[in-house]
Amino acid sequence: TQLLEQSPQFLSIQEGENLTVYCNSSSVFSSLQWYRQEPGEGPVLLVTVVTGGEVKKLKRLTFQFGDARKDSSLHITAAQPGDTGLYLCAGDASNFGNEKLTFGTGTRLTIIP
Amino acid sequence: DTEVTQTPKHLVMGMTNKKSLKCEQHMGHRAMYWYKQKAKKPPELMFVYSYEKLSINESVPSRFSPECPNSSLLNLHLHALQPEDSALYLCASSLITSTGELFFGEGSRLTVL
Repeated sequence: TQLLEQSPQFLSIQEGENLTVYCNSSSVFSSLQWYRQEPGEGPVLLVTVVTGGEVKKLKRLTFQFGDARKDSSLHITAAQPGDTGLYLCAGDASNFGNEKLTFGTGTRLTIIP
Repeated sequence: DTEVTQTPKHLVMGMTNKKSLKCEQHMGHRAMYWYKQKAKKPPELMFVYSYEKLSINESVPSRFSPECPNSSLLNLHLHALQPEDSALYLCASSLITSTGELFFGEGSRLTVL
């Protein structure tokens, strides 16, 4: 069974600060997806990383997939209140016989104006 | 049209009631999902339909009964639920596989009295 641990579990910071969220596993994934879920809504896909070492940027958000494809990070620069939400990573291990996504434990981020 | 639509948005039911949650997508996706999400937790997979056939049932109690009438529609029939079944029920779809990028609806918030 693949497990994805996210850290920190909760993070509350001031507007304008930088932060990094981590998504770690002992298992290898074919790809990893990041979602953001705002209160009262369903999760929304932000990005998918596929290649080991890959870096993708989405405005102030930078996503990295570990070289060994076991971990990923999300870095937010100059956080804004609109970044508030539950951040979820989700790993695809279908190439290794797991036919369903594994969701991470989640990071609840609050940006204080 | 890149939306997954869920109805109702809110549902309150007694333990002896029978109700249904509905989900619709018109993106041509062939995999559809039901997830259950408790407060401050990641979504937990319940069922996956692939090409209108049930492909994954995560040992969900029989008081939850899924149905996929056609490739665009997904229902979740509820009967004799327990108060601990109160949660946000999320429908999602993906293009083909059960590990593809997910498009979520806004969810149906269920309260069982």
